[in-house]
Amino acid sequence: GAVVSQHPSRVICKSGTSVKIECRSLDFQATTMFWYRQFPKKSLMLMATSNEGSKATYEQGVEKDKFLINHASLTLSTLTVTSAHPEDSSFYICSASLRRGFSYEQYFGPGTRLTVT
Amino acid sequence: TQLLEQSPQFLSIQEGENLTVYCNSSSVFSSLQWYRQEPGEGPVLLVTVVTGGEVKKLKRLTFQFGDARKDSSLHITAAQPGDTGLYLCADSSYKLIFGSGTRLLVRP
Repeated sequence: GAVVSQHPSRVICKSGTSVKIECRSLDFQATTMFWYRQFPKKSLMLMATSNEGSKATYEQGVEKDKFLINHASLTLSTLTVTSAHPEDSSFYICSASLRRGFSYEQYFGPGTRLTVT
Repeated sequence: TQLLEQSPQFLSIQEGENLTVYCNSSSVFSSLQWYRQEPGEGPVLLVTVVTGGEVKKLKRLTFQFGDARKDSSLHITAAQPGDTGLYLCADSSYKLIFGSGTRLLVRP
């Protein structure tokens, strides 16, 4: 149980275009999902918290108009990278949160490799 | 802002050796989680520790949480090539704050 999928797994796009990445919790409902960015050989950096039915909460330094997040249902959150530039190339990972006792457990998707040419 | 430092940053060892990696926080953990991530995949949760001084074992992996709940260690006994990956500690409250990570390479 607690499986999270992402689509697409890899995407190449041209500068100036927009790309949408989907994150789905397959066998549970998640009121909260998270989006992370990871540079090569580095740790995960939290970009934003996605709450079902409300606006996303962005971490400091993350442009909300560039990284649009929509959490339309309890099983789906989307991240749209708008007007992509080569510096947006990265590994984007989502997670969905489950509360267990006093702590939360996050289940991660397999990630999406974005390359902007 | 909480800072989580992991050491070493990179570790390359021979199969069969033992190793320990460390995670230190600038503030007390809400609860601490350890993850392992393989290249091109998302992190996978290994363990959650909550109580200071807690020790948990997962096969050849031993996790220890410091008494003051500001540090933790992960010890691997008789490392295998399948242990290769990025090990991440994280402070787990409502959201996760990840440490800087330790990349482990176990050579056959």
